[in-house]
Amino acid sequence: DAGVIQSPRHEVTEMGQEVTLRCKPISGHNSLFWYRQTMMRGLELLIYFNNNVPIDDSGMPEDRFSAKMPNASFSTLKIQPSEPRDSAVYFCASREILPGTANTEAFFGQGTRLTVV
Amino acid sequence: AQSVAQPEDQVNVAEGNPLTVKCTYSVSGNPYLFWYVQYPNRGLQFLLKYITGDNLVKGSYGFEAEFNKSQTSFHLKKPSALVSDSALYFCAVRATGFQKLVFGTGTRLLVSP
Repeated sequence: DAGVIQSPRHEVTEMGQEVTLRCKPISGHNSLFWYRQTMMRGLELLIYFNNNVPIDDSGMPEDRFSAKMPNASFSTLKIQPSEPRDSAVYFCASREILPGTANTEAFFGQGTRLTVV
Repeated sequence: AQSVAQPEDQVNVAEGNPLTVKCTYSVSGNPYLFWYVQYPNRGLQFLLKYITGDNLVKGSYGFEAEFNKSQTSFHLKKPSALVSDSALYFCAVRATGFQKLVFGTGTRLLVSP
């Protein structure tokens, strides 16, 4: 398996523009997570999905952020409008949740480095 | 609520010497504990995990970690450090019955030749 695939790897955009980050989880994984990494705040969980359904979006910083998972093989994180303080590395991770267990680890993508100028 | 503390921003060790990266956690119930490593401009790579059983867990690249319930710690160790081990290390915890994985702030390991 190619692992978790994120695109683009780098994104530079102007303040006010819409930004869409994409993620393809590992095939067969039924749980997907979006994290944001900054120097100041470290790794923050933004939102996670189980079986394509958003379970906990309490980490989404503002209404400008939205995430979707239309099917088991694709998720997007959208920022509209973007602001300079959104500059960070955004990671997607996926995990297989097996019935009766909760001990599987999450696998991370390479991340998208977002710069908003 | 779950939380993880990594008290050292950076750990310096000479190649060949043993290394320890510290981690303590706070969680209700039994914890699932994880260590990840991040190399520059890369995603996080899974190193090892503690779920249950033996308190000493062995993982990738010669790393191991010891779960200590009384001290709520899960320190990462390696008997002999390599320069190539230099990276950012994250400890993470997940509470039983929950899916949210909470990370520490990370510890930068610098192994000098």
